[in-house]
Amino acid sequence: NAGVTQTPKFRVLKTGQSMTLLCAQDMNHEYMYWYRQDPGMGLRLIHYSVGEGTTAKGEVPDGYNVSRLKKQNFLLGLESAAPSQTSVYFCASSYLSGEKLFFGSGTQLSVL
Amino acid sequence: GESVGLHLPTLSVQEGDNSIINCAYSNSASDYFIWYKQESGKGPQFIIDIRSNMDKRQGQRVTVLLNKTVKHLSLQIAATQPGDSAVYFCAEKIPGAQKLVFGQGTRLTINP
Repeated sequence: NAGVTQTPKFRVLKTGQSMTLLCAQDMNHEYMYWYRQDPGMGLRLIHYSVGEGTTAKGEVPDGYNVSRLKKQNFLLGLESAAPSQTSVYFCASSYLSGEKLFFGSGTQLSVL
Repeated sequence: GESVGLHLPTLSVQEGDNSIINCAYSNSASDYFIWYKQESGKGPQFIIDIRSNMDKRQGQRVTVLLNKTVKHLSLQIAATQPGDSAVYFCAEKIPGAQKLVFGQGTRLTINP
C-alpha cells in the first residue's frame, strides 16, 4: 500500500516552460488536492477534485490547470512557468471531504 | 501558533518533557480541526483530529484540546522524544467546505 505517490520529486524549469506533476493514490479516495508550500507559510490550496472527472479552484489557482481523468490520478499542469511558481508542491487525498488528508512526499520545483 | 512572514514560531523543549504547541484558528464556524507533523523533506503526516462537539481527544502520547470560546487549539505531546522534532501545523474546516485551511506552523526542537 503506497498511499499517495508524486512524481517527479525534483524539477528545474526555465521561465515559460511547461510541465505536469503527477499524483497517484491507491486508497480509492474520492477527494484529491494540490497544495503549494512556501517558506514561512502554511500550505495553500491550488485546486481540488471531489471525484473522477471533476475539478475546482482553491485559494491560488492562477497559472495552474488540473485534470482528474481517472479516480486514482490527479495531474497538475503549469502551461508557462514563472519564477513565482518556485515552491514545494504536495498532493493529498481523503476519504471524506476536507478531512484527514493523506499527503505525498512532495515535488520541489524551481523556475529560473 | 500563527505568524506572518518567513520566520516560524519555534518551541524548544528538553527531551522527556511535555510539549504544548498552540494554534489560534480564524473562523468561529469551523467544525473540524486537525494536527499534522512535517519532518524536513517530507510531506505532512496526520497526528490527530477533533470535531467541534468535543473539547479533548487523546491519541498515543498526544492530546488535542479545543477551546471554542477563544478559538484556540493546542497539541500536547507527552515525554517528547528526538523523533518529535518537526514543524507542526494545525488546520481547520468550516461546515460544507471542501478544504482544510492551514496555519503557518510551529517548529519543535528537542534539546538532549
